[in-house]
Amino acid sequence: ETGVTQTPRHLVMGMTNKKSLKCEQHLGHNAMYWYKQSAKKPLELMFVYNFKEQTENNSVPSRFSPECPNSSHLFLHLHTLQPEDSALYLCASSPSQEGNTIYFGEGSWLTVV
Amino acid sequence: AQSVTQPDIHITVSEGASLELRCNYSYGATPYLFWYVQSPGQGLQLLLKYFSGDTLVQGIKGFEAEFKRSQSSFNLRKPSVHWSDAAEYFCAVLKAAGNKLTFGGGTRVLVKP
Repeated sequence: ETGVTQTPRHLVMGMTNKKSLKCEQHLGHNAMYWYKQSAKKPLELMFVYNFKEQTENNSVPSRFSPECPNSSHLFLHLHTLQPEDSALYLCASSPSQEGNTIYFGEGSWLTVV
Repeated sequence: AQSVTQPDIHITVSEGASLELRCNYSYGATPYLFWYVQSPGQGLQLLLKYFSGDTLVQGIKGFEAEFKRSQSSFNLRKPSVHWSDAAEYFCAVLKAAGNKLTFGGGTRVLVKP
C-alpha cells in the first residue's frame, strides 16, 4: 500500500471508446503526475498538476485529457486511442512540485484493441 | 538536459550472492537521485534516495547505494540477494524545478535458486 490508489488496474478498450483512469492519493500531497510506461520505452512523464493546476504537459496527444478536481484526485480521460497507446499508466504524487520524493501507485494496465 | 544510464539491461544472480546495479547520470547541478523497484505487474516502489549529506544511503529491503560525484554514479548494492528481489530496478534523477523525474532504462534482475 503506497497511499496512491489507481483504478481500474486493468482496462481493455476499443479505439472508439471513451474511458477514464482514476487516481486517488491519501498522503496529503499537493502535486500529482501521470507517467506512461511502454514495453519499449523508458518511463515518460505525461502531465504534472500542482495544487490542481496543470503545470506540465509533455507534448501529450489530445486524445489523453487529464483532470484534477482537487489535490487528492487525478483522472486521465481516454478517447479514440490507438493500439500503440497500450501501456502501463502510472499515477504519482509528491508533497509539492519542487524537489520532493515522488510516490507511485500500482498502475493501470491499458490495452487498446 | 539530464539523462540516466543503466548499462545492464539484465542481470542474473544466485540467491545469497551479492548484487550491484550500475547507474550513471548526467546533470548540471547537484542531483537528487533515486532507486525504485518494480515487481512484475506492479507499480514503482521507492527503495532509497539521495538528496545531500552522507554519500552512502540505506534503503528498504537491505539495499544501499553510494553517490560518487567524481564518477557521476549512484550504484545500488545488496550483500545477499533473496528470491523476492527478482524485479526490475530503475535509477532516476530529479530536476528540482518542476519535480521532473528522469528514469534510466531499467535493469531486470533474475535470481537463480
